Amino acid sequence: DAGVIQSPRHEVTEMGQEVTLRCKPISGHDYLFWYRQTMMRGLELLIYFNNNVPIDDSGMPEDRFSAKMPNASFSTLKIQPSEPRDSAVYFCASSLTVPQETQYFGPGTRLLVL
Amino acid sequence: AQTVTQSQPEMSVQEAETVTLSCTYDTSESDYYLFWYKQPPSRQMILVIRQEAYKQQNATENRFSVNFQKAAKSFSLKISDSQLGDAAMYFCAYEGTYKYIFGTGTRLKVLA
Repeated sequence: DAGVIQSPRHEVTEMGQEVTLRCKPISGHDYLFWYRQTMMRGLELLIYFNNNVPIDDSGMPEDRFSAKMPNASFSTLKIQPSEPRDSAVYFCASSLTVPQETQYFGPGTRLLVL
Repeated sequence: AQTVTQSQPEMSVQEAETVTLSCTYDTSESDYYLFWYKQPPSRQMILVIRQEAYKQQNATENRFSVNFQKAAKSFSLKISDSQLGDAAMYFCAYEGTYKYIFGTGTRLKVLA
């Protein structure tokens, strides 16, 4: 298996623009997680899905952030409009059936909002 | 609410020596999992070791082992025979019932 795939790996955009981050989980994994990592706050869980259904989005910082999982093999994290404070590395991770199973992380998307 | 605390922002160890990274957590749950993740400069997150709270035996993975003290809510990572490739950020993580919490990380430097 290719592991968790994220795209793009790097994104530079201007404030106010829409940003869409993409994730393909490991095939057969039922859980998908989105994380954000910054120097100030470390690694934070934003949202996670179980069988394509959002279970907990309490970590989503504000309404500018939205996440979808239209099918078992694809998820997006969208920021609209983007702000400089959204600059961070965004990780996607997936895990097997039970929520406490080991999570496998993607390589991350480094986002810079100017 | 559950919390995870890594009180050492940075640690250094001489190559071939042993180093221990500390992690404490707070929870009211009885069943949970604890993890140590390694994040090298590439930013990829790599699972180092995993501990189920119901298991009394400390987990080990080659040169990596944990000291799990459930009553004290402590979960430290010991790295033996440190290698240059061990240099990275290390994150302690807690997974409970629908809760996933990471510590802020400890940067480990390995000195040649």
